Amino acid sequence: EAGVVQSPRYKIIEKKQPVAFWCNPISGHNTLYWYLQNLGQGPELLIRYENEEAVDDSQLPKDRFSAERLKGVDSTLKIQPAELGDSAVYLCASSPASSYNEQFFGPGTRLTVL
Amino acid sequence: KQEVTQIPAALSVPEGENLVLNCSFTDSAIYNLQWFRQDPGKGLTSLLLIQSSQREQTSGRLNASLDKSSGRSTLYIAASQPGDSATYLCAASGNTPLVFGKGTRLSVIA
Repeated sequence: EAGVVQSPRYKIIEKKQPVAFWCNPISGHNTLYWYLQNLGQGPELLIRYENEEAVDDSQLPKDRFSAERLKGVDSTLKIQPAELGDSAVYLCASSPASSYNEQFFGPGTRLTVL
Repeated sequence: KQEVTQIPAALSVPEGENLVLNCSFTDSAIYNLQWFRQDPGKGLTSLLLIQSSQREQTSGRLNASLDKSSGRSTLYIAASQPGDSATYLCAASGNTPLVFGKGTRLSVIA
């Protein structure tokens, strides 16, 4: 069974440029999460989807971040424009249902903003 | 607001030692507690999930315990190996989204 797939694995951009990350969850998992992980810290939730509905986006900086999961399967996280402080690892995870269930993580996208 | 703390932040042990990693959480109203492993530059690998009704879970050389009343969980690693070197994170799931600790960075020296 394939795990959570993320692309790209690495991205280097200049500040003020846009960037997008893609995630494909484990087949059959209807809950999808995007996390931000800064160096030396644990992941922090940005947004959680139940199917195509964003049920928790309270931690998503909506002035520059956006996300979508149009068909309830794969998802895209976008930053526009990127700032120096956005340099971090962006992790995607999925689970069969709600946060009551075990979450499975992808390898992450390491973003560097110059 | 749930807060998760992991002690120690870093640990170095010789190969073959048994060791314990500690995790504490402030809100005991959790649904489950999950332990993860993270290798440098990699994503998180789920090791063990303890439901709130359980006291412990075991997988191979790993044993995780949960004491909701005291807000503590421990991860016990038996007969440590150099391949166990990684960062170990615990995370609590409840009414708030999954909340992670900062992790314990483990080095097992051959």
